[in-house]
Amino acid sequence: AQTVTQSQPEMSVQEAETVTLSCTYDTSESDYYLFWYKQPPSRQMILVIRQEAYKQQNATENRFSVNFQKAAKSFSLKISDSQLGDAAMYFCAYRSAHGNKLVFGAGTILRVKS
Amino acid sequence: DSGVTQTPKHLITATGQRVTLRCSPRSGDLSVYWYQQSLDQGLQFLIQYYNGEERAKGNILERFSAQQFPDLHSELNLSSLELGDSALYFCASSVQGGTGTGELFFGEGSRLTVL
Repeated sequence: AQTVTQSQPEMSVQEAETVTLSCTYDTSESDYYLFWYKQPPSRQMILVIRQEAYKQQNATENRFSVNFQKAAKSFSLKISDSQLGDAAMYFCAYRSAHGNKLVFGAGTILRVKS
Repeated sequence: DSGVTQTPKHLITATGQRVTLRCSPRSGDLSVYWYQQSLDQGLQFLIQYYNGEERAKGNILERFSAQQFPDLHSELNLSSLELGDSALYFCASSVQGGTGTGELFFGEGSRLTVL
């Protein structure tokens, strides 16, 4: 079974600085998708960024980018120019290209200091 | 707004009771997923329906059941409730059942408190 590990229960970053959240996963499959979801205090689950495993190029969405290392099964999220509104719980998630459900990591709480 | 609607948003009930959580997926989405988020267990997959049929099952208790209706809305039934069932229950939907890059779109969740 696939597993997703987020080794950082909590991270802090100064406003306007850059922070990287770590994620590793375990799978025997070669075709899959990876996601980062954000859960602010409102508890809404919001998709931040998506990466297809077959794509070598790292995904980027404005201030959010990923470092996808397929061989190492690593999928980190970099947030540049951090803003107060970025404070939230961040979940890394895996989805097999042949499966259905999302498998989530335990989450990382990100605190942004002003 | 994800387009996924969940009701009720909050629910308080007593142990031993039964509740029903309702989910309306985004327009055009055929798949509905249910997740449970407890404080100490993160997001746990419960069950998925695709176009009215059960597609995948996770760690769903026998006391819990779900179904998806012809209009594609789904209901999650929780019975013989225990204190440990207190959690945030998310519904999510996607266009395709098991293929494509379809990310899941989540509702705002139903917070269940069992006293």
